[in-house]
Amino acid sequence: AQSVTQPDIHITVSEGASLELRCNYSYGATPYLFWYVQSPGQGLQLLLKYFSGDTLVQGIKGFEAEFKRSQSSFNLRKPSVHWSDAAEYFCAVVRYSSASKIIFGSGTRLSIRP
Amino acid sequence: NAGVMQNPRHLVRRRGQEARLRCSPMKGHSHVYWYRQLPEEGLKFMVYLQKENIIDESGMPKERFSAEFPKEGPSILRIQQVVRGDSAAYFCASSPSLGELFFGEGSRLTVL
Repeated sequence: AQSVTQPDIHITVSEGASLELRCNYSYGATPYLFWYVQSPGQGLQLLLKYFSGDTLVQGIKGFEAEFKRSQSSFNLRKPSVHWSDAAEYFCAVVRYSSASKIIFGSGTRLSIRP
Repeated sequence: NAGVMQNPRHLVRRRGQEARLRCSPMKGHSHVYWYRQLPEEGLKFMVYLQKENIIDESGMPKERFSAEFPKEGPSILRIQQVVRGDSAAYFCASSPSLGELFFGEGSRLTVL
């Protein structure tokens, strides 16, 4: 069965520092991968997605992610975080079959140190 | 083009009552998903529907929970005889096709 693992439950970084959030997936074929962000009390907003092609994808708000098939990873990065980036981040994978659904990781909470 | 609309945003029910959550997908979207988020947890898939069809309900509890997406009108997630463990945020998402989801802001159910 497919799964998505986000090994870091909570990460704290200083404002202006670089960020990397980890995501590993388990899936037999090339997956479609997503990163979503959730601010407190809000729904989820799509940051970026990977379907095929260039393995480095650019998203909104200065985020990027790199698909590494050999490592089954899709880590999210940002070179310099802002206080407004404090939120919960979810990695997700979609299984393409007759009954497709998107599976979410358990999330990583990002706190920003002033 | 309005986003995914969910209502009510907040719902309080006593144990044993029914909760009915509504979701209007984005215009042109024919795929609707329901997810449940418990406090401090991620999103758990519940059900995936297309118009008038339940495609995948593998995440729905077998009892008390049901979902529909009629030809006209919003998708409805119905929870009968609610219990305290049903307290959660319920998110609806829609998609124009298989893949990217657009989320509503959620319906927060509190069971007293």
